Amino acid sequence: QVQLKESGPGLVQPSQTLSLTCTVSGFSLTSYNVHWVRQPPGKGLEWMGRMRYNGDTSYNSALKSRLSISRDTSKNQVFLKMNSLQTDDTGTYYCTRNLGDYWGQGVMVTVSS
Amino acid sequence: DIVMTQTPLSLSVAIGQSASISCKSSQSLKYSDGKTYLNWVFQSPGQSPKRLIYQVSKLDSGVPDRFSGTGSETDFTLKISRVEAEDLGVYYCCQGSYSPTFGAGTKLELK
Repeated sequence: QVQLKESGPGLVQPSQTLSLTCTVSGFSLTSYNVHWVRQPPGKGLEWMGRMRYNGDTSYNSALKSRLSISRDTSKNQVFLKMNSLQTDDTGTYYCTRNLGDYWGQGVMVTVSS
Repeated sequence: DIVMTQTPLSLSVAIGQSASISCKSSQSLKYSDGKTYLNWVFQSPGQSPKRLIYQVSKLDSGVPDRFSGTGSETDFTLKISRVEAEDLGVYYCCQGSYSPTFGAGTKLELK
């Protein structure tokens, strides 16, 4: 059974770094791409970046300077780190396999002092 | 970046009626492998998104055949025949042929 689950802090202070983990089961990270997508409250979906099955990464050009995606295949985990957070980074962060066939439940992140 | 333009942004339908959503991309989504990576994603209130259709017209497992996707190059359409209450929510088109981008979303509401 394919599952993805995001975890991380619910509250981050402005200018600090966000660290999220996507833990997957039911498939191998060396066979599928995992993407990060976020959604500000009441707004639409924004693609952030992806970890490809071969370990390559690609990023949304608007976030590239602040964003890093990595993985630990032995733990079946994909990591997202984004620095210099501002209030407009508040929202729900999702990881998804293959840009959509399976999604995590999402984790709500609030950027506030 | 590829811009995905959805219309309408809001759509009111009665149960049992059909609904149609348009999505236009700022350039052709036909990839070098000959495939077109255009998906339709649905999000009901308070839930995670769920993909309905991939590569323009292929239905994901478990998606009712009331849903259909058509189109090519830059113009795509999602059609829902016989709308049911469970179909109410927001529909997004999403391209994966280039650095992925989503449309703004179309909110399907009950008339």
